[in-house]
Amino acid sequence: QQQVKQSPQSLIVQKGGISIINCAYENTAFDYFPWYQQFPGKGPALLIAIRPDVSEKKEGRFTISFNKSAKQFSLHIMDSQPGDSATYFCAASMGAGNMLTFGGGTRLMVKP
Amino acid sequence: DGGITQSPKYLFRKEGQNVTLSCEQNLNHDAMYWYRQDPGQGLRLIYYSQIVNDFQKGDIAEGYSVSREKKESFPLTVTSAQKNPTAFYLCASSRGGTTSSYEQYFGPGTRLTVT
Repeated sequence: QQQVKQSPQSLIVQKGGISIINCAYENTAFDYFPWYQQFPGKGPALLIAIRPDVSEKKEGRFTISFNKSAKQFSLHIMDSQPGDSATYFCAASMGAGNMLTFGGGTRLMVKP
Repeated sequence: DGGITQSPKYLFRKEGQNVTLSCEQNLNHDAMYWYRQDPGQGLRLIYYSQIVNDFQKGDIAEGYSVSREKKESFPLTVTSAQKNPTAFYLCASSRGGTTSSYEQYFGPGTRLTVT
């Protein structure tokens, strides 16, 4: 049972554009929603994360928008750059120290 | 440097052989995790451990075994019972325990190929 659904599977954006990746979850007990960035052959790196008590969190060009009632959250990458080309994973967790449930991933390509 | 190390980076084995993947962390984290990643797919949890000498099965534990004898080490054994062992294996850790920290940090991964 996939508890976190991620879309789209792949995304092509022009340099300077906005990349938007969406995730939906089912389990209302989730209370931590991170996004990871993974380059080929490397481990995922934590990019940004949000808790359900806020609707938006911004760090540099990266913003998470969170809609608790819709059980959805999204990653926005402003002014996308070719160096942002990677696979992005959303995830969700219940409680500190507990395992993450990952979405299926989105392969982003930013064209110069 | 603090972080998570996995060795080796690439591993090749013949079908029917058990193989052990190493994961070490010097972050003083209580919790450690093993994930499997197949091409073009997300990460699936194999095993996790929130404290030394204790571990729990994840979503796809069949054919795998782990041990947690030391806080900094969480080796994963891929046994011959695992039907499709070829994959990219990722180890992660988090502060866990009684802290409120949720962040998981990943190692560089081991790519296992079984022929």
